[in-house]
Amino acid sequence: GAVVSQHPSRVICKSGTSVKIECRSLDFQATTMFWYRQFPKQSLMLMATSNEGSKATYEQGVEKDKFLINHASLTLSTLTVTSAHPEDSSFYICSARAAENIQYFGAGTRLSVL
Amino acid sequence: DQQVKQNSPSLSVQEGRISILNCDYTNSMFDYFLWYKKYPAEGPTFLISISSIKDKNEDGRFTVFLNKSAKHLSLHIVPSQPGDSAVYFCAASGLGGSNYKLTFGKGTLLTVNP
Repeated sequence: GAVVSQHPSRVICKSGTSVKIECRSLDFQATTMFWYRQFPKQSLMLMATSNEGSKATYEQGVEKDKFLINHASLTLSTLTVTSAHPEDSSFYICSARAAENIQYFGAGTRLSVL
Repeated sequence: DQQVKQNSPSLSVQEGRISILNCDYTNSMFDYFLWYKKYPAEGPTFLISISSIKDKNEDGRFTVFLNKSAKHLSLHIVPSQPGDSAVYFCAASGLGGSNYKLTFGKGTLLTVNP
């Protein structure tokens, strides 16, 4: 299957700082990438849809000024958690859409805000 | 309202036997279905998918069955192996535009005992 790389895999930061997470499709071009959040023992919650060259589409209840998404190329999307607080601590996962509407996922980023 | 339901939070089977994971959906606009496997602290791994124009798709030990009239799909794993132990997510989508989004079930934890 297609490979999606997500970096970093784990980040610990102080409250009030910003954290950037990168998502790259390594062997295919992705016009659409997605950002999810997973709470413990829960399903994946879609945060936003990232479209190359245009603004991201955010799901209801997700603050676009809090979670900045940039999709500057066909292989890279970034999620920046601005002014992170302890309640933002979570597991963030990106995916990239390939042919036939199959999404391939990165390995995820564990964010811990102290 | 949960549009994709996996009513069994867990399933335990013996190595070598068949594992059957079930999924129900309510949105009749869904026409593409996927199964993902997920280990803790990792991103989901794509397993197999099926379009609504088919009722069965097979790939090695994995077979997905779709019953459109019942809005039900199932994943069969045979023979089950201890390495199959993971959380399995069912996902559904439409095609095109915002329908590229995947809606996930809450997952079923499969444990395959040696």
